[in-house]
Amino acid sequence: SQKIEQNSEALNIQEGKTATLTCNYTNYSPAYLQWYRQDPGRGPVFLLLIRENEKEKRKERLKVTFDTTLKQSLFHITASQPADSATYLCALGVSGGYNKLIFGAGTRLAVHP
Amino acid sequence: DGGITQSPKYLFRKEGQNVTLSCEQNLNHDAMYWYRQDPGQGLRLIYYSQIVNDFQKGDIAEGYSVSREKKESFPLTVTSAQKNPTAFYLCASSLGAADTQYFGPGTRLTVL
Repeated sequence: SQKIEQNSEALNIQEGKTATLTCNYTNYSPAYLQWYRQDPGRGPVFLLLIRENEKEKRKERLKVTFDTTLKQSLFHITASQPADSATYLCALGVSGGYNKLIFGAGTRLAVHP
Repeated sequence: DGGITQSPKYLFRKEGQNVTLSCEQNLNHDAMYWYRQDPGQGLRLIYYSQIVNDFQKGDIAEGYSVSREKKESFPLTVTSAQKNPTAFYLCASSLGAADTQYFGPGTRLTVL
């Protein structure tokens, strides 16, 4: 069956450390993968998109890797801050005539001072 | 300000009633989407529209209906046929069907 999995348990880290979140998938062949941030009671906010032919993408303190062999994406936040505390969603972009996104359930990140 | 707006933020419905959730965007995006979010689950697609006067069912369309009479607006009606409507509803839009989706702030619907 097709699945997209993110750690359901919250990730707790100390301020200043690097947070690493994982997104694994099975039985999909995504053309790209996106990461979104979602705060409680709010809509997701787009962060980064990485395509299947790209290994790594960076934006300020954010870095995303995409390994289509392992069927895995890693999302890193360096020099984490308490303001980075949120739920992070990964979404697979699969072809099919329109921009179909398959979302994971998200991982909650808590950065402690 | 450009963006996507959803109203109301909170909505309460009695069983057996239809309710309509509003979604408006002034980004000049062609494509619009409705998702449902439940605790511990990923967002699930209800309906999408790639162009005015056209829309398609998503993965969980039963009990919902939409219209797309204007480019800026994509209202969602939750009908009494939807057996478990309590959820957080999110509207999104994208420039074209293959572009990044941007989300509104959401509407939390509770059935009393």
